[in-house]
Amino acid sequence: KAGVTQTPRYLIKTRGQQVTLSCSPISGHRSVSWYQQTPGQGLQFLFEYFSETQRNKGNFPGRFSGRQFSNSRSEMNVSTLELGDSALYLCASSLAGGSDEQFFGPGTRLTVL
Amino acid sequence: QKEVEQNSGPLSVPEGAIASLNCTYSDRGSQSFFWYRQYSGKSPELIMSIYSNGDKEDGRFTAQLNKASQYVSLLIRDSQPSDSATYLCAVNRGGGTYKYIFGTGTRLKVLA
Repeated sequence: KAGVTQTPRYLIKTRGQQVTLSCSPISGHRSVSWYQQTPGQGLQFLFEYFSETQRNKGNFPGRFSGRQFSNSRSEMNVSTLELGDSALYLCASSLAGGSDEQFFGPGTRLTVL
Repeated sequence: QKEVEQNSGPLSVPEGAIASLNCTYSDRGSQSFFWYRQYSGKSPELIMSIYSNGDKEDGRFTAQLNKASQYVSLLIRDSQPSDSATYLCAVNRGGGTYKYIFGTGTRLKVLA
């Protein structure tokens, strides 16, 4: 069974630009969560989607948004990029969220110049 | 107080020894607990999950959960240099919160 895939793997943007990251979950998984990982803050929860609905959101500004499609694929968007947005963005999928085991994709490394 | 706390380490153990990694959590209502391993530059990889008090064994790994004391631990027997990584503890409250809280991880170094 194929794992979680994320595209692109690496991205370089400049301040003020926007970016869209994509995540395809494991087949049959309907919950997708997004995380930001930085050396100083560790893994920070961004949001979780299930059946195209956002069920929970972390403490990030509104510049961070996401969506999920009917095939469970998910995208996250960051608008008006700031230097501090440079991080590894990880997507994780699980069957239905809640207490289910989550499996991570390889991540997208975003660098903001 | 952080929701999930781990000693950042590094924890250094000799090859073949038992490595003991600990994690405490603040939310007494937490129901699901997970251990992940993350190699430098890679994404977290699930090692095991535990939901009930007691021990759960999987190969060289044993997870221990004590909900009364609000801690979960991971034991790695016969540690190998390839086990050198950062180990992340994650906690989920369940009950419809759909949010996993991660500790900042413990860096483990297994010395050959």
